[in-house]
Amino acid sequence: DAGVIQSPRHEVTEMGQEVTLRCKPISGHDYLFWYRQTMMRGLELLIYFNNNVPIDDSGMPEDRFSAKMPNASFSTLKIQPSEPRDSAVYFCASSLMRDQPQHFGDGTRLSIL
Amino acid sequence: AQSVAQPEDQVNVAEGNPLTVKCTYSVSGNPYLFWYVQYPNRGLQFLLKYITGDNLVKGSYGFEAEFNKSQTSFHLKKPSALVSDSALYFCAVRGGSSNTGKLIFGQGTTLQVKP
Repeated sequence: DAGVIQSPRHEVTEMGQEVTLRCKPISGHDYLFWYRQTMMRGLELLIYFNNNVPIDDSGMPEDRFSAKMPNASFSTLKIQPSEPRDSAVYFCASSLMRDQPQHFGDGTRLSIL
Repeated sequence: AQSVAQPEDQVNVAEGNPLTVKCTYSVSGNPYLFWYVQYPNRGLQFLLKYITGDNLVKGSYGFEAEFNKSQTSFHLKKPSALVSDSALYFCAVRGGSSNTGKLIFGQGTTLQVKP
């Protein structure tokens, strides 16, 4: 079975550019989560969706970040404009139901120069 | 507010010895507790969860965890460590009284198993 698929795996771009990260959750999963992982701050939840609807975006650091889930099989996390402090590994995860295990993709390693 | 603490940044054990990775939590209501493992350049993988029932939970790869309500702990254990168990381990909690799907993760503990 295909797991959670994230693209790209690596992204290097210059400060000020727009960055779009993509995620395909496991088919049939109702919940989708976006996380950011850094050495300094650990693993942080940015936003999560239930049935394509954003439920909690309190972890989104600022207005430069936005996330969408236009359908059950696709989500994007966008940063515009990007800044060096946005450099991190961004993970997408999905789960079948609220208290079921979350399945993580292998992440996008983002470097903003 | 919900929180989870992993008091050790790193745990070192010899192969074949038992291992324990510690986790304590603070939530309102009954906790939902999880352990995940992360290998280099990979996403987190689910190991086990406690929602209700027996205090000793068995999970993947021979791992188990003991829920202790009085000590608000959920320590991860394995009777005999393998070198391949070396990885980063995360404890996570969701408050049982909450309708949120949000998990709070600990800072992670690096497990190093030496031959």
